[in-house]
Amino acid sequence: RKEVEQDPGPFNVPEGATVAFNCTYSNSASQSFFWYRQDCRKEPKLLMSVYSSGNEDGRFTAQLNRASQYISLLIRDSKLSDSATYLCVVNRSGGSSNTGKLIFGQGTTLQVKP
Amino acid sequence: DTEVTQTPKHLVMGMTNKKSLKCEQHMGHRAMYWYKQKAKKPPELMFVYSYEKLSINESVPSRFSPECPNSSLLNLHLHALQPEDSALYLCASSQIRDVLRTNTGELFFGEGSRLTVL
Repeated sequence: RKEVEQDPGPFNVPEGATVAFNCTYSNSASQSFFWYRQDCRKEPKLLMSVYSSGNEDGRFTAQLNRASQYISLLIRDSKLSDSATYLCVVNRSGGSSNTGKLIFGQGTTLQVKP
Repeated sequence: DTEVTQTPKHLVMGMTNKKSLKCEQHMGHRAMYWYKQKAKKPPELMFVYSYEKLSINESVPSRFSPECPNSSLLNLHLHALQPEDSALYLCASSQIRDVLRTNTGELFFGEGSRLTVL
């Protein structure tokens, strides 16, 4: 079983739609959680951090459920420019031996159509 | 524009060649990373350096040899690679929370070096 699992999609949605992505992680030593965005043939970039209390940044809302080891990303009012791959990322603690490492999920591809 | 600079952007090499990938950042980050990414796959961690010391090696074959000459530079030396090593090699950096000695989780990636091994 992969440490971080996502539905690869693709999700094809019309402009203006609301779309939700889910992610599960298996290692309870995971400390912090993020969504990254990667455009085609570009490097990944941080979209937002994910907290148990939930956090919102404009049209984007992220949520963490530690009990279920589940992370979500909601995009409202989709724009054409939202088309990209969304990567769920888990920061696994290294304890005293290292600074930890970020484990990437497979990514979910979103295609927003006019 | 990314604040992490990688060179070269593209590299083609034969299986007997020796080449190096270079990465530079001037954000004062003390953790630096090499990731490998194949098409339609997520980035896979290869190496982590923290405070210029190798802290994580994800069982990477010895034909890949990382080097961190100082806090701003990270190299990946390549020797006797195989065609299946062809991929995008991404360098990244992050801050370290000095009290906890953990990375902040925000990685700044370079644009990558696209490697083709013939």
